Amino acid sequence: SQQGEEDPQALSIQEGENATMNCSYKTSINNLQWYRQNSGRGLVHLILIRSNEREKHSGRLRVTLDTSKKSSSLLITASRAADTASYFCATATNTPLVFGKGTRLSVIA
Amino acid sequence: GAGVSQSPRYKVAKRGQDVALRCDPISGHVSLFWYQQALGQGPEFLTYFQNEAQLDKSGLPSDRFFAERPEGSVSTLKIQRTQQEDSAVYLCASSPGQVRNTIYFGEGSWLTVV
Repeated sequence: SQQGEEDPQALSIQEGENATMNCSYKTSINNLQWYRQNSGRGLVHLILIRSNEREKHSGRLRVTLDTSKKSSSLLITASRAADTASYFCATATNTPLVFGKGTRLSVIA
Repeated sequence: GAGVSQSPRYKVAKRGQDVALRCDPISGHVSLFWYQQALGQGPEFLTYFQNEAQLDKSGLPSDRFFAERPEGSVSTLKIQRTQQEDSAVYLCASSPGQVRNTIYFGEGSWLTVV
C-alpha cells in the first residue's frame, strides 16, 4: 500500500518557471524524503526533512513539511529541461520507506 | 562498486518460467530493500534485510516470491512460475543504517513475462 500521495499526477511547465509538487500522507512519520526518477532509471535521493523541521533548502529545491496537515511540498525554482523526471515522496517511520505514486514533471525548453 | 548494481537489467520470461534477479549493494551497507514498480506507479515495498536476516517480507505478493541474502551482502530475488502480472521493474536499494534513513537505488531489473 502507498501512504504518500502526490499532487498533481502530471505537471508541464516552461523552462525558467517554478514547479510545485505536493505530498499528503496518513500516519505519523519520523521524516519525509523526496526522490527523483529519470525515465528508465533508478530513484535518486533529493532531500530529507525531519518531522521537527518545517522547511529545508538544497540548491534550487525547497521542501516544506506541515505535520499538522500531514503534507509536504517540493518546490523546484528556475526549472530546466533536465529537471524533467518523476518525483516521489517517501515517508519514513520504523518500517521501510513507503513511496507515493509520483508526479511526472515535464519542463519544456 | 560505487553504487548498487542489479542484474540482469532486462529479462523476458515465458509464463511459468522461474527467474532470479541479483542485487549487489553498496559495500558496507547493512540494510537491503527490494521494491516492485509497475509502469506509471511508485515503488511498492517487497522485503527488507538487515545483514543476512530478512526482517520484513510483508510486501511479497505471493509464495512464488522468495528473497535471500545468505552472507549479508549480495541478494537474490527469485520468482517462481512467473505470471503476466509479475511484469514490472524490480528495484533494489541499500542503506548504511536504519530503515528511516536515505536509501540508494540500483537501476532496476525490468521483467517482462510473455
